Amino acid sequence: NAGVTQTPKFRVLKTGQSMTLLCAQDMNHEYMYWYRQDPGMGLRLIHYSVGEGTTAKGEVPDGYNVSRLKKQNFLLGLESAAPSQTSVYFCASRQGSGGTDTQYFGPGTRLTVL
Amino acid sequence: AQKVTQAQTEISVVEKEDVTLDCVYETRDTTYYLFWYKQPPSGELVFLIRRNSFDEQNEISGRYSWNFQKSTSSFNFTITASQVVDSAVYFCALSDVYSGNTPLVFGKGTRLSVIA
Repeated sequence: NAGVTQTPKFRVLKTGQSMTLLCAQDMNHEYMYWYRQDPGMGLRLIHYSVGEGTTAKGEVPDGYNVSRLKKQNFLLGLESAAPSQTSVYFCASRQGSGGTDTQYFGPGTRLTVL
Repeated sequence: AQKVTQAQTEISVVEKEDVTLDCVYETRDTTYYLFWYKQPPSGELVFLIRRNSFDEQNEISGRYSWNFQKSTSSFNFTITASQVVDSAVYFCALSDVYSGNTPLVFGKGTRLSVIA
């Protein structure tokens, strides 16, 4: 069981470039999430998905898009990267809704936008 | 609205000292869950504990203990005889029934430095 994995681990982009971050989980979890972590800000939710084919906006969705075409994968896209998107991105997954299930995190992706 | 407050931004202790990390939460629901996560310098987020609102019994796991008090809406975390390996950022998080399909609400974290 690999748990939650993220690809890539590090990336440097130039302003205006695009990229996709991949999150994969092998726990058959229904719910998946994308967060960003910035110094002093804690973890902020970007987008989330409650099942295959569904997505929803979180706290800071602007500048990002997501897709959940397969249950095990949750993709985060940056169409035109900006320096303000320099951050560490975490993916997470959980089996059920509410608080009854633990949320597990991937190892993170460190993105720098120049 | 849900909210988690970790008032201590940074704490520094000498090895073997005990240290308590504070967590205060707000929720309108009577059924909710509280979590603690650890983020060591390597960066990953490690789940430590989950506690539901109906269980106010304190929990101990080795050098770690958690004190849940509904009367003060607090879920504090104590490390006894701290070690250098305990140096990390610790996050408290909340999930309640009203959050439904949305994920955890996190505090901003407390950075703990344990000095040898």
